[in-house]
Amino acid sequence: DAKTTQPNSMESNEEEPVHLPCNHSTISGTDYIHWYRQLPSQGPEYVIHGLTSNVNNRMASLAIAEDRKSSTLILHRATLRDAAVYYCILRDVQGIQGAQKLVFGQGTRLTINP
Amino acid sequence: GAGVSQSPSNKVTEKGKDVELRCDPISGHTALYWYRQSLGQGLEFLIYFQGNSAPDKSGLPSDRFSAERTGGSVSTLTIQRTQQEDSAVYLCASSLLGIGGQETQYFGPGTRLLVL
Repeated sequence: DAKTTQPNSMESNEEEPVHLPCNHSTISGTDYIHWYRQLPSQGPEYVIHGLTSNVNNRMASLAIAEDRKSSTLILHRATLRDAAVYYCILRDVQGIQGAQKLVFGQGTRLTINP
Repeated sequence: GAGVSQSPSNKVTEKGKDVELRCDPISGHTALYWYRQSLGQGLEFLIYFQGNSAPDKSGLPSDRFSAERTGGSVSTLTIQRTQQEDSAVYLCASSLLGIGGQETQYFGPGTRLLVL
């Protein structure tokens, strides 16, 4: 899987939007961009994924740059429960068996202030 | 519906003992994954099962680690002759088909292993 780069930590205030960046300059044309998050003392949970177009779901939005070399996870109104480590992961759409594992980097630790 | 479950939730063992960790995937999911997360470290892949295919064991750190999946459902991760560096949270995940690049992996709560 191609490498992603994220800031180690970010801080925001409750009920404000949060923009979490991810750089993936070596992304290939067949890589999906996935985001997972890990709340304290829990396993990771899926947040959102996309290929080229921006995506929205009930949890967040994903904005993908036109050249696909970067993306931004947007939490529209952060709550205290959104405090977690957020991971940006690339996955090959061809999905060969060897590519099924998720390769986690260090992620971004998001702190939400009340 | 029920998610991925793991047991035990916590395990304390002595160096040199064998341990077995269990994972019950979501019903109907054909793919199952094991990861581990050491203190202060990121999550690292251990092994992946998909249907009747040979498992991808490329992430197992040593031959003391093994895993099996019986009947395409429950999986057991076995660590023989445990060492202190094996202390970590062992996470299991499952996905519906285990193919393609879009599938969501659903994680269990993990087993916290402490080797004294």
